[in-house]
Amino acid sequence: DAKTTQPPSMDCAEGRAANLPCNHSTISGNEYVYWYRQIHSQGPQYIIHGLKNNETNEMASLIITEDRKSSTLILPHATLRDTAVYYCIVRVISGGSNYKLTFGKGTLLTVNP
Amino acid sequence: GAVVSQHPSRVICKSGTSVKIECRSLDFQATTMFWYRQFPKQSLMLMATSNEGSKATYEQGVEKDKFLINHASLTLSTLTVTSAHPEDSSFYICSASPGSGGLVVSSYEQYFGPGTRLTVT
Repeated sequence: DAKTTQPPSMDCAEGRAANLPCNHSTISGNEYVYWYRQIHSQGPQYIIHGLKNNETNEMASLIITEDRKSSTLILPHATLRDTAVYYCIVRVISGGSNYKLTFGKGTLLTVNP
Repeated sequence: GAVVSQHPSRVICKSGTSVKIECRSLDFQATTMFWYRQFPKQSLMLMATSNEGSKATYEQGVEKDKFLINHASLTLSTLTVTSAHPEDSSFYICSASPGSGGLVVSSYEQYFGPGTRLTVT
């Protein structure tokens, strides 16, 4: 899996949008961008993934740049419960060794009241 | 769908004893299961990958004789920490993936359990 770079921490006010950036400049054409988050002392939770088009689900939106070298996860209305470490991972969706998820250090998002 | 459970959620054991952690996929069959370890304030580190009915594949630096993994059925994998020592104290997390047979949930996604906090005294 290609490496990703994320800021170590970010703060956001409750009710405002949280925009979490991720750089993946060495991403390959068949690699997807995945986002997970981990609330303290829990297992990771899948948020969203995409290949090149922007994606939206009930949790978040994913904006991928046209050159695919970076992306932004957007939580439109952050709540205190969104405080967590957010991991950006790039991977191929297939079997074999590509099953592996390589977690970096992620971004600790703190939502403040 | 895609619920993964772990048992126990917390365990305290004495140094030198063994402890078993169970990982179950509750509503799908998991061809592949993964075991991760997470030390305080660090990221998840993959320990091993196990396919149902096969021997686990361990990551470099992980002792296979110390961390015994059994994936005897499509819904259950166990991790046994043998002769545990205080340095084995950590948060152990499993994930499960349906593989090519996934019908209800996406085949190659990993679905994570809630984790097991192991403390060795």
